Amino acid sequence: DQQVKQNSPSLSVQEGRISILNCDYTNSMFDYFLWYKKYPAEGPTFLISISSIKDKNEDGRFTVFLNKSAKHLSLHIVPSQPGDSAVYFCAASAIGGANNLFFGTGTRLTVIP
Amino acid sequence: DADVTQTPRNRITKTGKRIMLECSQTKGHDRMYWYRQDPGLGLRLIYYSFDVKDINKGEISDGYSVSRQAQAKFSLSLESAIPNQTALYFCATEGSTDTQYFGPGTRLTVL
Repeated sequence: DQQVKQNSPSLSVQEGRISILNCDYTNSMFDYFLWYKKYPAEGPTFLISISSIKDKNEDGRFTVFLNKSAKHLSLHIVPSQPGDSAVYFCAASAIGGANNLFFGTGTRLTVIP
Repeated sequence: DADVTQTPRNRITKTGKRIMLECSQTKGHDRMYWYRQDPGLGLRLIYYSFDVKDINKGEISDGYSVSRQAQAKFSLSLESAIPNQTALYFCATEGSTDTQYFGPGTRLTVL
C-alpha cells in the first residue's frame, strides 16, 4: 500500500526550461513533505521541504507547491540544468508521530543540453 | 569528510550467511534510520532509533536486527541472508529539523 506515489517514472526536459515533478499522497495525517535528489552511487540528498501550514516554499531555482485538498505536491525547477539530471524522491511524514519518512518510488529527470 | 558513512559499500554473500552493515555519523544526531531501496519501490524503512536505548521496527523489519552501539553508530544485521534481501541499503540520521541525511548506501547481493 503505497502512501506516497510518484506516477511518472521518468521525465525529460530541455535545458533552460521548467521541470515539474509530481507527487500524490493518501494519508491525511502527513504534515511535512520533502524532496530528495539522488545521483547514481550516492545516497539521497535533501533538496527542499514544506510543512502543511504553507502552500509554497522556494529555494533558488527550486519551488515546492502543496495542495492539501488534492493531497498533491509538485517540485518546480526553473531553469533546468544538466546537473539536475537525477532521480527525485518525494517523501512525507507526520510530525509528532515517529517521524518515519514514507517515500515515493522516484522520478528520473533527464535535462537535455 | 562525509557526515554519514556506511561500510561496506558493496557486499556479495551467500544464502544463510550472517551479514552486518555498519553506519557511523559525525553530525551529532540522536535519530538514526535504516532503509532499503528496491527497483520500483522507492525506499522503505527497516528500523529506526531515537537514542541509544531506543530501537523501533519499521515497515519491513522481518529478517533484520539492529544495534545502536553509541549515538554515532547504528548497525544492521541479517542473521541468515536470503536472496530477496538483495537491495541497496541506506542509513540516515536526523537532528532537530525533521530532515534526514543519508549515507552513500551499501549494495548487498545475496546469492
